[in-house]
Formats: sequence, structure tokens, C-alpha cells
Amino acid sequence: DAGVIQSPRHEVTEMGQEVTLRCKPISGHDYLFWYRQTMMRGLELLIYFNNNVPIDDSGMPEDRFSAKMPNASFSTLKIQPSEPRDSAVYFCASSLTGTSGYQETQYFGPGTRLLVL
Amino acid sequence: RKEVEQDPGPFNVPEGATVAFNCTYSNSASQSFFWYRQDCRKEPKLLMSVYSSGNEDGRFTAQLNRASQYISLLIRDSKLSDSATYLCVVIDGGSYQLTFGKGTKLSVIP
Repeated sequence: DAGVIQSPRHEVTEMGQEVTLRCKPISGHDYLFWYRQTMMRGLELLIYFNNNVPIDDSGMPEDRFSAKMPNASFSTLKIQPSEPRDSAVYFCASSLTGTSGYQETQYFGPGTRLLVL
Repeated sequence: RKEVEQDPGPFNVPEGATVAFNCTYSNSASQSFFWYRQDCRKEPKLLMSVYSSGNEDGRFTAQLNRASQYISLLIRDSKLSDSATYLCVVIDGGSYQLTFGKGTKLSVIP
């Protein structure tokens, strides 16, 4: 059974360029999350979707960041224009609503390591 | 602001030692609690859920203290393979949102 799939695994780009990160959640999961992890700030939630609808984007740092989920099996996180301080590991995770109504375990993808020069 | 606080460590312990981590949370409405493990340059993975009555999985024991708003993770008979960063995770009862602590780094030394 495939887990959460992310691409690319590594991205090196120059300041000002557009960056698009991709995620395919586990089939059947109704929640999808985008996180950013740095040494200084740890793991930060950027945005999450429920049934393809953005629920909370309060963690998105600025308007340069945008995320979409056009269908249940695909999401993108876009940074335009990118800046050196955006360098981080970006994780996508998905989960399923349990019978209790709460989320069950979040499963993380392998992450995209982004370096903006 | 909802906070989840952990001692960043590192905790350097010899093989066979017992080590314990605590994690405090500020939101009294928090509903669910987990410990995740993250190996170097890897994604976080669920280690265990934390139940009100406490739970044990082999060498690992997790406990919840709602009155004092903290959870703990106890690792007995540490192995070299336990070296990782351990992340405390709290789910808000109202928003269902997960909040991660910044993690506690454990190094088990031969």
C-alpha cells in the first residue's frame, strides 16, 4: 500500500523563482496537511484541507504561499516568488476521520527539501 | 496561542538506561495526545497514542496527566536504534487541529 507521495524530493532554486511542491495523499484519507520544518521553528502547520476544502490556512506565512487541492488525490503548495528564508523541509501528511469523529493517525510523506539560493 | 513545549535535549544515555521525556501543553481543551518519532532526515512517524489510563508498548510507556497538562514517554532498556527525535503531538478538541512540539533529541550511546 503506497503511503503519502511527495515530489520532488529535493529542490534547489534561485530567489525569485516559482516553486511548486506536490503531494498525493493515501487513498481514502479525507484530511491533508502541509507542514514546514526548520531547525529554528520545528514543525509548523501551514494549511490543512478536509474533503479537498481548505479549513485553516492561518499558518501560511505570507501571500507568496498558496495551496490547492483540486481533487482527493492531489495537492500542491506553491511559493511565488521564493526567498532564501523559505528554505526548509516541507512535509505533506494525510489522515482519516475515525468513528469517534476525530482524526486518526497522520501519515507523513518523505518531504521535499527546498533550498532557495 | 496554543503551546506544546518540550525539552529539546539532547539526552545522551548509555545503552540499557531508562530515559523519560515530558511534554506540557497549554490548551486545557486538548483532546488527544500522541508521541511521534523522527529519525534524522526522515519524516515523523507515529510511535504511540497516549490514553488517559496510560499505555505501554514493549519498552515504551506513555502517560497523561490532565490536571497538570503534561504527557510523558518512558523508554526502558534503551537501544542504539532508539536514537531519534521524539515529538509530542496534541489535538485540539474544538478544531481537531494537531500541534507538534519541537521535539526532544535522544542519543543512545554504546
